Amino acid sequence: DQQVKQNSPSLSVQEGRISILNCDYTNSMFDYFLWYKKYPAEGPTFLISISSIKDKNEDGRFTVFLNKSAKHLSLHIVPSQPGDSAVYFCAASPSSGGSYIPTFGRGTSLIVHP
Amino acid sequence: GAGVSQSPSNKVTEKGKDVELRCDPISGHTALYWYRQSLGQGLEFLIYFQGNSAPDKSGLPSDRFSAERTGGSVSTLTIQRTQQEDSAVYLCASSLGQDQPQHFGDGTRLSIL
Repeated sequence: DQQVKQNSPSLSVQEGRISILNCDYTNSMFDYFLWYKKYPAEGPTFLISISSIKDKNEDGRFTVFLNKSAKHLSLHIVPSQPGDSAVYFCAASPSSGGSYIPTFGRGTSLIVHP
Repeated sequence: GAGVSQSPSNKVTEKGKDVELRCDPISGHTALYWYRQSLGQGLEFLIYFQGNSAPDKSGLPSDRFSAERTGGSVSTLTIQRTQQEDSAVYLCASSLGQDQPQHFGDGTRLSIL
């Protein structure tokens, strides 16, 4: 039973446009969320995070939105660049309760066309 | 280097052999995680070390899997009597604390023939 779901295995976007990657979670104990980017043959790289006390966090071209009532978060990349082409993983965890172990989604492969 | 280092980068072995995978975390990081990623799957949690606390082994898939972390630094993941379904990329990550983003190594690609 997947607690973190990325329902789109892939996404194709034109350079300069907005990329929107979605993530849904089921565990109401999750209150800390992260996005990672992964290039082939490399480990995931931390991109941006958000805690449940916020509904938006922005870092340059990357913005994460959190809708707690819908248990949904999204990553917006604008403008998209060819170098953004990678697999993006959403992760979620409880930030209290002793053991912090993020649960990862299966990833969305983003392709940004020049 | 300043990042998480994993070795070997690739390992091919025969079914039934034991393998040892190594992870050097970032200096000063108290938390260390092992994950594996099978083809087309997400990151599957295996084991978590936090400081001197007992490790959380809840993700280990069978008793053929074990891990240790010596001196709060280097960690070794051991798989005994390997099976073909153990083929995957094994990723190690470390973080400054349990509520901090993880820094991942590039993984060990394990292939069981």
